Amino acid sequence: KAGVTQTPRYLIKTRGQQVTLSCSPISGHRSVSWYQQTPGQGLQFLFEYFSETQRNKGNFPGRFSGRQFSNSRSEMNVSTLELGDSALYLCASSLVSGRETQYFGPGTRLLVL
Amino acid sequence: KQEVTQIPAALSVPEGENLVLNCSFTDSAIYNLQWFRQDPGKGLTSLLLIQSSQREQTSGRLNASLDKSSGRSTLYIAASQPGDSATYLCAVLEGGATNKLIFGTGTLLAVQP
Repeated sequence: KAGVTQTPRYLIKTRGQQVTLSCSPISGHRSVSWYQQTPGQGLQFLFEYFSETQRNKGNFPGRFSGRQFSNSRSEMNVSTLELGDSALYLCASSLVSGRETQYFGPGTRLLVL
Repeated sequence: KQEVTQIPAALSVPEGENLVLNCSFTDSAIYNLQWFRQDPGKGLTSLLLIQSSQREQTSGRLNASLDKSSGRSTLYIAASQPGDSATYLCAVLEGGATNKLIFGTGTLLAVQP
């Protein structure tokens, strides 16, 4: 079974631009969560989607948004990029809820210049 | 507010040694606890998941224990190998309708050949 895939793997953007990251969960998994990892803050929860609905949201500004499609693939968007948005963005998938093992993708490394 | 702490922050051991990594959390109302491994610049690999009703889980040379009442978990690695070198992260899933994992800051392990 293929694992969680994320595209692109690397991105370089400039301040003020916007970016869209994509995550394809493991086949059959319906829950997708997004996390931001930085050296200073560690891993922080962004949001979770289940059946095309945002089920939970972390403490991030409205510039961070996401969506989930009917095939469970998810995208997250960051508008008006700031230098502090430079991070590794990870998505995780699980069958239904986080009560099962959550499986993480390889991440997208975003650098904002 | 749940806080997860991992001690030590870094650990260096000679190959073959048995070692213990520690994870503590402030709120015992968790649903499960998961241990992950992260190689430099990569995503997270799930190692073990312990449900709140369980005391321990084993996989190969790894054994994880959970003491909810004291807010502690340990990851025991037997006969360490250089390939075990990585950052080890623990994360708790809080009870209730949430998929949000709260991560510790990690332990950077180096196993010297």
